[in-house]
Amino acid sequence: DQQVKQNSPSLSVQEGRISILNCDYTNSMFDYFLWYKKYPAEGPTFLISISSIKDKNEDGRFTVFLNKSAKHLSLHIVPSQPGDSAVYFCAASGAGSSNTGKLIFGQGTTLQVKP
Amino acid sequence: EAQVTQNPRYLITVTGKKLTVTCSQNMNHEYMSWYRQDPGLGLRQIYYSMNVEVTDKGDVPEGYKVSRKEKRNFPLILESPSPNQTSLYFCASSPRQGFWSPLHFGNGTRLTVT
Repeated sequence: DQQVKQNSPSLSVQEGRISILNCDYTNSMFDYFLWYKKYPAEGPTFLISISSIKDKNEDGRFTVFLNKSAKHLSLHIVPSQPGDSAVYFCAASGAGSSNTGKLIFGQGTTLQVKP
Repeated sequence: EAQVTQNPRYLITVTGKKLTVTCSQNMNHEYMSWYRQDPGLGLRQIYYSMNVEVTDKGDVPEGYKVSRKEKRNFPLILESPSPNQTSLYFCASSPRQGFWSPLHFGNGTRLTVT
């Protein structure tokens, strides 16, 4: 039972354009969401997060949007750069898991930004 | 440099031969966790530890053991590895579990069990 789903395994965009990565979740008790980026041969690194009390969080070129009614979040990268090419994982915490130590990850989306 | 160090980076072994993957962090973090990454399944949590001598199961703990005798170390033990444990493993740590503490990951250990 995949509680956090990233339904697009891959995404390809042109340099300078917007990249939109999507993530859906099923558990309405999740109260915190994070995005991690992963380059080959490296561990994931934290990118941006959002609490369920907000619907938007921005950090430079990266913005995360949260739609609680749709149980959907998205990561926007504007403008996209070739160095953004990586695997992006969304993750969710809550439903008591913020106290029990569990963080649920999606399957990941591979982003390719073409020069 | 603040980091999470896993060893080895690559390991090939045979079914049933006990192995240990070490994980060490130098950031004095309370929380540590092990994940495995498999194609199409993303990152799945194996075990985690909220502090020394405190460990608990994640979503896929079967076939694995952990221990947390010291704050900095969190080894992953496979007592009798099987081919379905072939995977990419990541250790991670954070000051404490919670949304204010994003995880710091190691660079991974690629395990092949034949």
